[in-house]
Amino acid sequence: DVKVTQSSRYLVKRTGEKVFLECVQDMDHENMFWYRQDPGLGLRLIYFSYDVKMKEKGDIPEGYSVSREKKERFSLILESASTNQTSMYLCASRTGGFGYTFGSGTRLTVV
Amino acid sequence: KNEVEQSPQNLTAQEGEFITINCSYSVGISALHWLQQHPGGGIVSLFMLSSGKKKHGRLIATINIQEKHSSLHITASHPRDSAVYICAVGPNEKLTFGTGTRLTIIP
Repeated sequence: DVKVTQSSRYLVKRTGEKVFLECVQDMDHENMFWYRQDPGLGLRLIYFSYDVKMKEKGDIPEGYSVSREKKERFSLILESASTNQTSMYLCASRTGGFGYTFGSGTRLTVV
Repeated sequence: KNEVEQSPQNLTAQEGEFITINCSYSVGISALHWLQQHPGGGIVSLFMLSSGKKKHGRLIATINIQEKHSSLHITASHPRDSAVYICAVGPNEKLTFGTGTRLTIIP
């Protein structure tokens, strides 16, 4: 069964910490995405990558960076976590012409 | 930037009823996606369509490009269909998402 795996289901971090969220896909998809989901706002794109070492900003990249050193792995980095980054983070992948496969999400709480 | 509006925001129906969820968007797109999110957060891609109609089991998705409108229909609804249904559109990979329709099917 093809899947997108996010490393943590729940995470609690302190304000100012550097936070790494990892995502791995086993489908050889070119495109990978990081979204955050907040009540009443829907999913919002943070960053996406269309190839190894390639990245493009989404709608809300401020406070985040990403890394894609291998095709199967896409990491989201919160450089200095803040309470307004408390959210559900969802990773997804896809290949051209097909729908998205999502991970099960990481619920991050910054205290 | 696309605006995506879904209606209704919440829908409760009896098991067996025919369900319709609507999605309207404001600008040109290359594709529209319907997603399903169950409690606990997992999201499943149901359809990707750019014209016409697609069917998968009891689910049917239609799109009218001229009217910038799409509908998701569920026939013979079942309690396991209870979920949030999300519409997303975009000219490219930068999708804009609706806030979802919460569907509850009562046995």
